Amino acid sequence: ELKVEQNPLFLSMQEGKNYTIYCNYSTTSDRLYWYRQDPGKSLESLFVLLSNGAVKQEGRLMASLDTKARLSTLHITAAVHDLSATYFCAVWRDKIIFGKGTRLHILP
Amino acid sequence: KAGVTQTPRYLIKTRGQQVTLSCSPISGHRSVSWYQQTPGQGLQFLFEYFSETQRNKGNFPGRFSGRQFSNSRSEMNVSTLELGDSALYLCASRTGNGPQHFGDGTRLSIL
Repeated sequence: ELKVEQNPLFLSMQEGKNYTIYCNYSTTSDRLYWYRQDPGKSLESLFVLLSNGAVKQEGRLMASLDTKARLSTLHITAAVHDLSATYFCAVWRDKIIFGKGTRLHILP
Repeated sequence: KAGVTQTPRYLIKTRGQQVTLSCSPISGHRSVSWYQQTPGQGLQFLFEYFSETQRNKGNFPGRFSGRQFSNSRSEMNVSTLELGDSALYLCASRTGNGPQHFGDGTRLSIL
């Protein structure tokens, strides 16, 4: 059964710093998604990664996929307070399974 | 383009009752999935429907059921409600390899 693990689960960081969220998954897949969820809100799609080596960037966020290592990363560059949210990765293998989420708190 | 619409937004029920939640996907999206979100368990997959057929099912008891209509709208039913069913129920639609587009969810509280 597909398992998706994110770490860290909680992250508090200062504005202006860089950090990386990791997403490991247990079985082969070449389709991975990143989502953002603000408190009390629904999920918003950030990135779709469909092949090994895929890299997508939007503003201060960059996501990459290594299907051989079964690993995706979400890198945050020069964090700003507005990026405070919970970030989920999700992997497709017959169905889309989500990680537990990383709650990111950026201190001004 | 209208997004995914879920109704109702909030529901309060008592143990033993049943409930039906509704989801209208984005126009043209034929795949509809349902998820249960709780603080303890996170986002758990319930089931996915495509062209009126259940394509996949998560590890939930038979009290949780769903269906999809010919216009791709979907309903989810939970019978014999338990306290542990209190959660945010999210519906998502997608097309092809694209991402899931989520509705705002139905927050179900069981008293």
